[in-house]
Amino acid sequence: QVQLQESGPGLVKPSQTLSLTCTVSGGSISSGSYYWSWIRQPAGKGLEWIGRIYTSGSTNYNPSLKSRVTISVDTSKNQFSLKLSSVTAADTAVYYCARVVSSSWYDYWGQGTLVTVSS
Amino acid sequence: QSVLTQPPSASGTPGQRVTISCSGSSSNIGSNYVYWYQQLPGTAPKLLIYRNNQRPSGVPDRFSGSKSGTSASLAISGLRSEDEADYYCAAWDDSLSGPVFGTGTKVTVL
Repeated sequence: QVQLQESGPGLVKPSQTLSLTCTVSGGSISSGSYYWSWIRQPAGKGLEWIGRIYTSGSTNYNPSLKSRVTISVDTSKNQFSLKLSSVTAADTAVYYCARVVSSSWYDYWGQGTLVTVSS
Repeated sequence: QSVLTQPPSASGTPGQRVTISCSGSSSNIGSNYVYWYQQLPGTAPKLLIYRNNQRPSGVPDRFSGSKSGTSASLAISGLRSEDEADYYCAAWDDSLSGPVFGTGTKVTVL
């Protein structure tokens, strides 16, 4: 059974960089034809796709966040990571990592981690 | 930045049938598959329907999906108390070159 777990600071100051890591267990991040994705959800609101990465390192980002987002993968640690720069209060949300099947749907999700942007 | 429109709420009594709509455009639902996710309070979303009307293993056949043109719908038949959750539709958007999600529908079991 594949499991994903997000980790990182729960509080980030405005203008700084948000950094999160997703650790994959129960299977190799390199096996199969999967993308690995980050999705966020502000409190009481809907889901927003941030971006995705293939194990080759190929990435796709939401155009609205593209200038501030970097997603990377470390296959040796079975992890992939998110960096979001120049954060503001609008970036406060629960951040989820998820596995993408057939480039289309999310079958395994992390439990989510709340990141608050505040001084 | 939800591109797909859903009603904010839906409700029914136990045993009833509830339908949730999802409206999009030609760049998303009109030309790509639709997916549905169930999000129980305080938990991560769970895949409910993929490729318009397919159920993953373990999802009860009380849940069914359909698509017509630029709209889709999720039906829950034989409503149960454990179905009380938020439901989101999703589809790939060719203009965004990425997935878009619906605004979400909160289902209440009366």
